[in-house]
Amino acid sequence: EIVLTQSPTTMAASPGEKVTITCRASSSVSYMHWFQQKSGTSPKPWIYDTSKLASGVPDRFSGSGSGTSYSLTISSMEAEDAATYYCLQRSSYPRTFGGGTKLELK
Amino acid sequence: EVLLQQSGAELVRPGSSVKISCKASGYTFTDYYMHWVKQRPEQGLVWIGRINPANGNTVYAEKFKSKATLTADKSSNTAYMQLSSLTSEDTATYFCTIGYYFDYWGQGVMVTVSS
Repeated sequence: EIVLTQSPTTMAASPGEKVTITCRASSSVSYMHWFQQKSGTSPKPWIYDTSKLASGVPDRFSGSGSGTSYSLTISSMEAEDAATYYCLQRSSYPRTFGGGTKLELK
Repeated sequence: EVLLQQSGAELVRPGSSVKISCKASGYTFTDYYMHWVKQRPEQGLVWIGRINPANGNTVYAEKFKSKATLTADKSSNTAYMQLSSLTSEDTATYFCTIGYYFDYWGQGVMVTVSS
């Protein structure tokens, strides 16, 4: 099983601040996928195939990485970005998610 | 429009079983695997398994092999997940999701295990 480790677990950012969330895999994966979840709602696909933004995702978001190290970056934090972000690998079974990064507005 | 409509919240007794559903619409049911995901209160997402509705083939995460049973009914475009021998550890919201990138999600079913 590929274990995904996200860091940080929680963080707070001020409006306009740059944010980076990392996801490290215990074995190499082909791509990483990211989801945004707000309290009481279903996860939303956010970034797929490492760097492609899902429909409706603002272009202040970006994704990058390869092999065992991936990241999600927000170039300039906005209030609506406060949420929990999860990475997902679908390179092998079982599919696995990272533990999540809770991003709060400072 | 793709919709995954899940059944309502469940309150069940320890040791019992529960079967929850996910009714699909807006696409050809047999074209996509149906995946199930668990989320305990204030916890992260855990992949349970998936079913191929076209032929019933299933893949489970190891820890759910004796806990969850996935089925699909092509005649009603509905996928089911039965959870057995329920304990407090099974209290969670359960989501169904489809798509190569888990593009579409149901609204989730809250299952509470309590005496």
